[in-house]
Amino acid sequence: DVQLLESGGGLVQPGGSLKLSCAASGFTFSKNAMSWVRQAPGKGLEWVSAISDTGFSTYYADSVKGRFTISRDNFKNTVYLQMNSLRAEDTAEYYCAKVSTEGPFRGYCDYWGQGTQVTVSS
Amino acid sequence: DIQMTQSPSSLSASVGDRVTITCRASQSISFYLNWYQQKPGKAPELLIYDASTLQSGVPSRFGGSGSGTDFTLTIRSLQPEDFATYYCQQTYTTPPLTFGGGTKVEIK
Repeated sequence: DVQLLESGGGLVQPGGSLKLSCAASGFTFSKNAMSWVRQAPGKGLEWVSAISDTGFSTYYADSVKGRFTISRDNFKNTVYLQMNSLRAEDTAEYYCAKVSTEGPFRGYCDYWGQGTQVTVSS
Repeated sequence: DIQMTQSPSSLSASVGDRVTITCRASQSISFYLNWYQQKPGKAPELLIYDASTLQSGVPSRFGGSGSGTDFTLTIRSLQPEDFATYYCQQTYTTPPLTFGGGTKVEIK
């Protein structure tokens, strides 16, 4: 069975940093793009970032561009989201998702992790 | 950026009702439109991909249609477990891979 397990969330002060991890199992990790999607309290889903199967191509929402960095380790079957210069508006549940295709486009998120909470507050 | 507009933002319906949710893209996205269901406190789950293909394990009372800019999610006979929030998402082209604002389906 496909499993995605996020970790690394927590409480951080504005301007601080966090690194989220998503450990994958149950599929050939190196053959699929991966995405991060977040959901602020009481709000809808917001696509944050995606990375191609090889890690060569990365993509970001304008709201996080220049502050967040997505990466992956295909030997460890893990995708990461390094979040710097965090703001109150980054407070959300962060989900990682397996994408059905090698790149994030023209595919779909067929499996999701359970989420990890990030709270940015002083 | 491609904008995705879902309507309605919420609706009340009874068990057994037919429910229709629409999603409109600000430009053509061919058929690269996916639908997700999210229940409170849970991660989203894929219902339909490529506008009309039912994800494995999803009940056949769910259906999707549309192409270009206008899409529809239909639940033929609403069941108690279908009360949730539904989101569309386009994955046609360059980021962001936008989600619609969501439609909350509540019990009448």
